[in-house]
Parts: sequence; structure tokens; C-alpha cells
Amino acid sequence: ETGVTQTPRHLVMGMTNKKSLKCEQHLGHNAMYWYKQSAKKPLELMFVYNFKEQTENNSVPSRFSPECPNSSHLFLHLHTLQPEDSALYLCASSQDEGRAGGAEAFFGQGTRLTVV
Amino acid sequence: AQTVTQSQPEMSVQEAETVTLSCTYDTSESDYYLFWYKQPPSRQMILVIRQEAYKQQNATENRFSVNFQKAAKSFSLKISDSQLGDAAMYFCAQTQGGSEKLVFGKGTKLTVNP
Repeated sequence: ETGVTQTPRHLVMGMTNKKSLKCEQHLGHNAMYWYKQSAKKPLELMFVYNFKEQTENNSVPSRFSPECPNSSHLFLHLHTLQPEDSALYLCASSQDEGRAGGAEAFFGQGTRLTVV
Repeated sequence: AQTVTQSQPEMSVQEAETVTLSCTYDTSESDYYLFWYKQPPSRQMILVIRQEAYKQQNATENRFSVNFQKAAKSFSLKISDSQLGDAAMYFCAQTQGGSEKLVFGKGTKLTVNP
């Protein structure tokens, strides 16, 4: 496989459930990102990982818990979500050189999450 | 905080015609990059074109070109000879904080009419 792969493509979960989103990149990049895409709103950056270390948490509620076991895999663990958390969750990767080098971000196809 | 504004929620164009999508941004940084990403119904965001802020020459990629006005903080995308496959959401984005993190606009939905 090539590029960035996200699973599952669709997920419906109750507010008391625990689930995880998975992202895998086969591009050899050192940075991975989670974005939230809600209708009529800009994409919101949630988390950034560089070399497996979390470098950014944009005030994301603790019911979202990221995990990056290695530079190729990124997870987003979900628990006790709210209906307003329903959105498209996009994973991306890029090669971060430590400055604004304009590296292209490669995105997965996203997980459409519905919280009921 | 950096912001990216796309003032056109929806645009339409006839096949083979030219369309321009608008984008303005606000930043105090001197070194940054600007991007246009396309998101078709498949949902996968794809890079269309990028512009380095310190380069005055407008970037071009085949039928896609930008009009970069640094002083006005404007970064519009021109699509020439529009094709049915160009129909998608288009997002303008800017790098943030001297890194590869991106700040996105709300997007413009482009419809291409046959």
C-alpha cells in the first residue's frame, strides 16, 4: 500500500462506547497529524506528532486520546464522546524539517464518525 | 492567531471555462507557505498548488495558477479549461508558526457544469 490509510472509513458509536481510529502512512514521513473536519467550519488541527513525540495538543478534550507507537502509525482513542464530536476525522503526514519548508501534507480518506 | 478566509462558500463554472477562487489570510510571519488543497467526494485531500511567500513569481501547475498578492495577503486560485473532474471542495491553507502545521479556510465548493 502507498500513501496514508485510515480505518475504519465509517464509525457509529454510542456516547458510552470506547473506540479507536487508526492511521498508517507508508511514505517515510516523520510527522503525523489529526484534523477534525466539521460542516461549515475550517479543518481544526487536533494533535501533532514529530518523531513519535506529541508536539501539539490544540486544547482538545481529554475524551480524545492520541497514541503514536512509531512514526508510521497514529491512533485516536475515543471514549464518552458527545454528539457534537460527530465529524470527519482526517489523518495526515508530512516530512517536517523543523522549519516552514512548505512540505506537502498527505491525507488519508478520513473516518466519518457519528456519535449517537 | 492566524486566519485564512475563503469568502465564496460555493462557485460554479461551465466546462472549459475559467474560474477564480478567492482566499485571504492574516499573518505576522515573514516566512510561510500557502497552499490550495482539493477534496473530491472521495474525501481525500490532494495538494493542488503551493506558493512560497518569499517568491514573487506566481506558482503554476498545468491548468492551475495562483495570483499571490503578498501586501494584500491575497492568494487566489485560477482554474483554466475547467473539467468535470475539477468539481470538489477547495481549501486554502497556510503554514503556521514556522512549521508544517496548516491553518485552513472553510473551503469553497466548486461545481463544474457540462
